[in-house]
Amino acid sequence: LAKTTQPISMDSYEGQEVNITCSHNNIATNDYITWYQQFPSQGPRFIIQGYKTKVTNEVASLFIPADRKSSTLSLPRVSLSDTAVYYCLVGENTDKLIFGTGTRLQVFP
Amino acid sequence: DAGVIQSPRHEVTEMGQEVTLRCKPISGHNSLFWYRQTMMRGLELLIYFNNNVPIDDSGMPEDRFSAKMPNASFSTLKIQPSEPRDSAVYFCASSAPGLALDTQYFGPGTRLTVL
Repeated sequence: LAKTTQPISMDSYEGQEVNITCSHNNIATNDYITWYQQFPSQGPRFIIQGYKTKVTNEVASLFIPADRKSSTLSLPRVSLSDTAVYYCLVGENTDKLIFGTGTRLQVFP
Repeated sequence: DAGVIQSPRHEVTEMGQEVTLRCKPISGHNSLFWYRQTMMRGLELLIYFNNNVPIDDSGMPEDRFSAKMPNASFSTLKIQPSEPRDSAVYFCASSAPGLALDTQYFGPGTRLTVL
């Protein structure tokens, strides 16, 4: 399984764009890159998934360079409600998931 | 859709007692996962089922832990006997056929405290 590395924590202010980068140097050909979000006292929630280039949905964008050894989750104009832990996961469809410790994002007013 | 349902939401028990956590996956989902989350170890996968069959239980910490899925709409995670170090939040998640295994829907969790 590809191991991921992401910052332990990040701070931001309301209205700013937040970019969280995840390193996955050993990503395999069949691996997808998936991000989850976890609010306090809740289970993780799927945000976005991609394989290469760029993926965008109503919540976030995911940028994946050509070598796929890293990926960046971009949250446009964050609000206080975006304060959460964000997990980067890498694996193929039949792999079990390793969530790791994630990135704790704190948004200030 | 009601989402993944877990019960109880909170459980406080004494060391040595048996604890049973319950999960009802989203209707139509054929994979079910049990996770444990603690401050020290983060979110750990304990076991997952596909079509009611256990596929990977390598994350189950020891023989005190057991999980069953008697049918597509119900699963249990049992700890017998419980110990204080089992105190954690236990999450159940499910995923649908055809989706990548990464796309899981989590329940609200059961907060277990073993005194």
